[in-house]
Amino acid sequence: AQSVAQPEDQVNVAEGNPLTVKCTYSVSGNPYLFWYVQYPNRGLQFLLKYITGDNLVKGSYGFEAEFNKSQTSFHLKKPSALVSDSALYFCAVRDGGNDMRFGAGTRLTVKP
Amino acid sequence: DVKVTQSSRYLVKRTGEKVFLECVQDMDHENMFWYRQDPGLGLRLIYFSYDVKMKEKGDIPEGYSVSREKKERFSLILESASTNQTSMYLCASSFWGSYEQYFGPGTRLTVT
Repeated sequence: AQSVAQPEDQVNVAEGNPLTVKCTYSVSGNPYLFWYVQYPNRGLQFLLKYITGDNLVKGSYGFEAEFNKSQTSFHLKKPSALVSDSALYFCAVRDGGNDMRFGAGTRLTVKP
Repeated sequence: DVKVTQSSRYLVKRTGEKVFLECVQDMDHENMFWYRQDPGLGLRLIYFSYDVKMKEKGDIPEGYSVSREKKERFSLILESASTNQTSMYLCASSFWGSYEQYFGPGTRLTVT
């Protein structure tokens, strides 16, 4: 069965600094990897996905993620953080089926 | 834009009551999902459906049932609500074989 781990409950960065939110995964076959963001009292919004191809994936709001097969990781990155990026971020994985598994989430706080 | 709506944003029920949570999507998606979201646990899959009248158990189906009589509607049923079912419930949908899921705004259920 597929699973993901987000090793950090909380990430704090200063506005303008680069940010990284970490994710590692486990699947039996080829992974389909996703990042979602959740703002307060809202549902999840899709940010980006890796299916195949280039290991660096670009998504919404200036976010990108790097797929690393040898380290089974899919870390979310942004070169310059904004206060408005403060939210809860979820990594998710599929193994080719229709269902998806989510990590526990990482709360990102960007301070002015 | 894809729209997934949930019948209530906030719901308060008493222990032992039967509870219905409704989800409707307007994009003709084949797949629909119910998750619960708890702090520190992320999203956990309760049930999903890939066609009308079809259902599959997720990771935590105990105490829940589902109904999908029409393609656009997927209902989550708590037969006899208990306090440990107090949670945020998120509905999502996707096309068959597609990758990203689209989420509703969530229903925060409190069982007293």
